[in-house]
Amino acid sequence: DAGITQSPRHKVTETGTPVTLRCHQTENHRYMYWYRQDPGHGLRLIHYSYGVKDTDKGEVSDGYSVSRSKTEDFLLTLESATSSQTSVYFCAISELAGMGETQYFGPGTRLLVL
Amino acid sequence: GENVEQHPSTLSVQEGDSAVIKCTYSDSASNYFPWYKQELGKGPQLIIDIRSNVGEKKDQRIAVTLNKTAKHFSLHITETQPEDSAVYFCAASLRIGGGADGLTFGKGTHLIIQP
Repeated sequence: DAGITQSPRHKVTETGTPVTLRCHQTENHRYMYWYRQDPGHGLRLIHYSYGVKDTDKGEVSDGYSVSRSKTEDFLLTLESATSSQTSVYFCAISELAGMGETQYFGPGTRLLVL
Repeated sequence: GENVEQHPSTLSVQEGDSAVIKCTYSDSASNYFPWYKQELGKGPQLIIDIRSNVGEKKDQRIAVTLNKTAKHFSLHITETQPEDSAVYFCAASLRIGGGADGLTFGKGTHLIIQP
């Protein structure tokens, strides 16, 4: 998985609790992304980062926040989890490669919000 | 924003036959089109990609074609094998903030290889 780890790999939580997912890379890549995957929707971009402390919103960012204090770590936080945030979350990394970047994905975190 | 349509949602082929998956995109500014294979319980794995200055690319049994005028691209797998069974996703890339590229994915094709 291109030097990408995600933790935890599985989590069950209750509605209203905060949850933080971690993505760690050993590739020293500049760009990092969080996606969620749901049946019938493919993968959708939540937030992304283009450098330390540089982040921006993606297509489905409501209810999520991110932080990147080090090149290797990108955290995704659900401030108050809801059942609609039950999903599989994937982190991806890339390095600028001219026309289009190749994104490499981590193994995913399966989150269940009860 | 970009919209990517992928067909079919399920494709069943006999082992040894060819499989073709098709995608269309909406934004003519998209310039990079990767294909990912996802096995159960794993993250998507890049299998081939094509950039908008190229019409076709091949890697052994896998090929991708791109028609920029029609805004569609296709994945071709020849001589299919049981290990090709998986879900395949196409994606289109647009430049977003800070020089990053946002990928918009199709909804996936479940490819089943029948023995």
